[in-house]
Amino acid sequence: GDSVTQMEGPVTLSEEAFLTINCTYTATGYPSLFWYVQYPGEGLQLLLKATKADDKGSNKGFEATYRKETTSFHLEKGSVQVSDSAVYFCALTNAGGTSYGKLTFGQGTILTVHP
Amino acid sequence: EAGVTQFPSHSVIEKGQTVTLRCDPISGHDNLYWYRRVMGKEIKFLLHFVKESKQDESGMPNNRFLAERTGGTYSTLKVQPAELEDSGVYFCASSRGGLAGQYFGPGTRLTVT
Repeated sequence: GDSVTQMEGPVTLSEEAFLTINCTYTATGYPSLFWYVQYPGEGLQLLLKATKADDKGSNKGFEATYRKETTSFHLEKGSVQVSDSAVYFCALTNAGGTSYGKLTFGQGTILTVHP
Repeated sequence: EAGVTQFPSHSVIEKGQTVTLRCDPISGHDNLYWYRRVMGKEIKFLLHFVKESKQDESGMPNNRFLAERTGGTYSTLKVQPAELEDSGVYFCASSRGGLAGQYFGPGTRLTVT
């Protein structure tokens, strides 16, 4: 079945540091890829997405490129802020699956940014 | 527009009791999903409604879990009887269509003691 693997956390950075959170996937067909973020006390929010190979999703200074050759969708940000502290989830949905739109998630990566 | 809402935000029950979780999706969203995150692990799919019909319930762990979506609006997820391993955060999400982004509720934290 489909699966998503994220780098182990937690990740602790200083403000303005460069962020990378690795995400790789296994899926049949042509999945769409997502990054969701959960801020403390809130629900998951869609951060960015990419629907086909070589697409780059971007939002709020974050970006990720859909790499079919390496089955990866790594999240990057050039300069993190304290307000970026949250849990980040990589996910995919596969149109070839039994439930169109069903999301398969990675285990989540806790990011803490210190001033 | 109002977001996805879930009730209650937190529930603590004893093993063997019954709990019902509620989800109100965004108005006009035909697709409604339930997910669960147990003990800091990955978020796992439970089931998917399209309007009032169950499209996929392959993620439901066992027959102690019953989900309904009467009239294609709000949905309930009942756990009866609850077991210790049911503890976790239950998320609801809704969307307009299959590959459209899903909008998540804040989750219900269920603790079974």
